[in-house]
Amino acid sequence: AQSVSQHNHHVILSEAASLELGCNYSYGGTVNLFWYVQYPGQHLQLLLKYFSGDPLVKGIKGFEAEFIKSKFSFNLRKPSVQWSDTAEYFCAVNANNDMRFGAGTRLTVKP
Amino acid sequence: DVKVTQSSRYLVKRTGEKVFLECVQDMDHENMFWYRQDPGLGLRLIYFSYDVKMKEKGDIPEGYSVSREKKERFSLILESASTNQTSMYLCASTSGDNYGYTFGSGTRLTVV
Repeated sequence: AQSVSQHNHHVILSEAASLELGCNYSYGGTVNLFWYVQYPGQHLQLLLKYFSGDPLVKGIKGFEAEFIKSKFSFNLRKPSVQWSDTAEYFCAVNANNDMRFGAGTRLTVKP
Repeated sequence: DVKVTQSSRYLVKRTGEKVFLECVQDMDHENMFWYRQDPGLGLRLIYFSYDVKMKEKGDIPEGYSVSREKKERFSLILESASTNQTSMYLCASTSGDNYGYTFGSGTRLTVV
């Protein structure tokens, strides 16, 4: 079965710092890729998704992610984080109707 | 606004009890899922369903069962609750492969 790896368990940044969260997956075929965010006390929400086309996808709240097929990666980026970005971020990969989630990365942004 | 509603936000149950977790979606989605979320382990799939009265085991089905008698409702059943089933349970639905999941708010279950 495919697997999804998120390299960072906990990231701590100051406001205005740039963010990059890593995500790698193991499946070699066609995949749909997602990033979800879970703010404290709230439900998981879709941040952005990639199905095909431009490998650089833009999501809500200034987030973007780049699909690099050769590296099996789908890293999440934001140029300047805010305190309100404090949350847990999950990468997910769907292949053949089998959706797998990474273990999550907790982001803490210091004001 | 589309919604997935989980009946309870917090539950405390005793070991050995039969526990029902309810999930209802109002989006006419065919596909529904139950996950448990544990720190450092991410989301692990317990059961899923692609149609009424249809169910499939996920990665960790042991100790759980499900019921889908109506399209909008997908219930998770803990036959005999144990302390290692203390967790956050998430229900999700989707209309297909190319769409993201819509999640409920979760049920935090504590088994004592």
